Amino acid sequence: AQSVAQPEDQVNVAEGNPLTVKCTYSVSGNPYLFWYVQYPNRGLQFLLKYITGDNLVKGSYGFEAEFNKSQTSFHLKKPSALVSDSALYFCAVRDGVSGGYNKLIFGAGTRLAVHP
Amino acid sequence: NAGVTQTPKFQVLKTGQSMTLQCAQDMNHNSMYWYRQDPGMGLRLIYYSASEGTTDKGEVPNGYNVSRLNKREFSLRLESAAPSQTSVYFCASSEARQGREAFFGQGTRLTVV
Repeated sequence: AQSVAQPEDQVNVAEGNPLTVKCTYSVSGNPYLFWYVQYPNRGLQFLLKYITGDNLVKGSYGFEAEFNKSQTSFHLKKPSALVSDSALYFCAVRDGVSGGYNKLIFGAGTRLAVHP
Repeated sequence: NAGVTQTPKFQVLKTGQSMTLQCAQDMNHNSMYWYRQDPGMGLRLIYYSASEGTTDKGEVPNGYNVSRLNKREFSLRLESAAPSQTSVYFCASSEARQGREAFFGQGTRLTVV
């Protein structure tokens, strides 16, 4: 069964510093990986995804993520954090096994707090 | 450009009452989903509909039923609400192809007292 782990409940970063939000996954076939952000009292917004190809994918608001197949990880990164980046971040995975339908499964979420 | 629309936004129910959460999408997506969000547990899949005419159980289906009314609409019903169903419920939709991201509604905050 597919699963996603976000090992940190909260990440604290000073504004201007780089940030990393960690995600590891487990799937049967090739993974399709996604990052979403949730601001207070809002739905989830799509940030970026990895399907195939370049291991470094770029997304919205200056975020990027690095796919590492050997470590089964898909960490979210940003070179310089902003206070406005403070939100709840979710990693999600859908496995690429052919035949049948593959559900989109989410991690527990990581709260990012960027301090001025 | 509405995207995914959920109604209602807020609801308070008494234990044992029933209600239906409505969801509609205008993106012509084949697949639709219902998730619940609880603190520290992320989003858990309740039911999904891979395409019009099909529905399947997710991780936490007990106490819920769904109806895929047509391609646009996917409703979630609580037949006899319990306090454990207090949560924020999100509907989402996506194209059927596996690499496609899902789009989410704004959520329904449900409290069962």
